[in-house]
Amino acid sequence: KQEVTQIPAALSVPEGENLVLNCSFTDSAIYNLQWFRQDPGKGLTSLLLIQSSQREQTSGRLNASLDKSSGRSTLYIAASQPGDSATYLCAVRRGDSSYKLIFGSGTRLLVRP
Amino acid sequence: GAGVSQSPSNKVTEKGKDVELRCDPISGHTALYWYRQSLGQGLEFLIYFQGNSAPDKSGLPSDRFSAERTGGSVSTLTIQRTQQEDSAVYLCASSQGLVGTDTQYFGPGTRLTVL
Repeated sequence: KQEVTQIPAALSVPEGENLVLNCSFTDSAIYNLQWFRQDPGKGLTSLLLIQSSQREQTSGRLNASLDKSSGRSTLYIAASQPGDSATYLCAVRRGDSSYKLIFGSGTRLLVRP
Repeated sequence: GAGVSQSPSNKVTEKGKDVELRCDPISGHTALYWYRQSLGQGLEFLIYFQGNSAPDKSGLPSDRFSAERTGGSVSTLTIQRTQQEDSAVYLCASSQGLVGTDTQYFGPGTRLTVL
C-alpha cells in the first residue's frame, strides 16, 4: 500500500529565506508526483507535476525534484515571500492505470515579514 | 469562470439527514474526481469518473455514499443518513482525462458539518 509522508508538518521562516519541503513515498512504482498549495478555505492549486521519467521541474522560484529509487521528492522555494504562506501537499499517482492521487498530510508554511 | 465550481460552499445538517453536494468541472474535462479532507485523515480519494462511468469507486467509505455524473459534466455526491464522522471538506477535481501529463484542477470544496 502506497503511503506518502511529508516532513516537517509545519515550518516558520523569515522572508527571503530559501527553504526545502520534503515528501517521501513507500512504493517507487509511481506514474507521477505533483505538488499543490492550499490556502485556508480554498481548494488546491497545482504547482508542479513531475513524470516518473523526470528528475526535476521548475516554475519561477519553485523547483521540485524526484528520486524514484529512494522514494523522495523535494520542493525548493527560493527567496520566500509572505505570499508563499500556505499548506503544501505532495501527491503521487500510482503506476497503474488508476488516476487516483495519494496525498501526504502536508507542510504548513508561514513566511514572516 | 473557467475553474471547477462546487456548491454549496458550506452545509450544516443534522445527523441522519441526507445531503447532496454538487460539482461543475472545467468545460471539456472528461475525468472527474471526488476527495475528502478531514482532520486526522488528510486528503483521501473517494471516486473517479471517466465520462459518465465510474471505473474506480474504491474510496467510498460506506454504502451511504454514492455519486453520479450526467451528460459527462456535472456530478453529485450524495451522503445518506449522515453521521458526525462524515464532517469534512469535500473536494472535487477535474482533468482532461488524457494519459500522460494529466493535471487535476481542484474546486474550492464544500465544508460539511454534521451536528
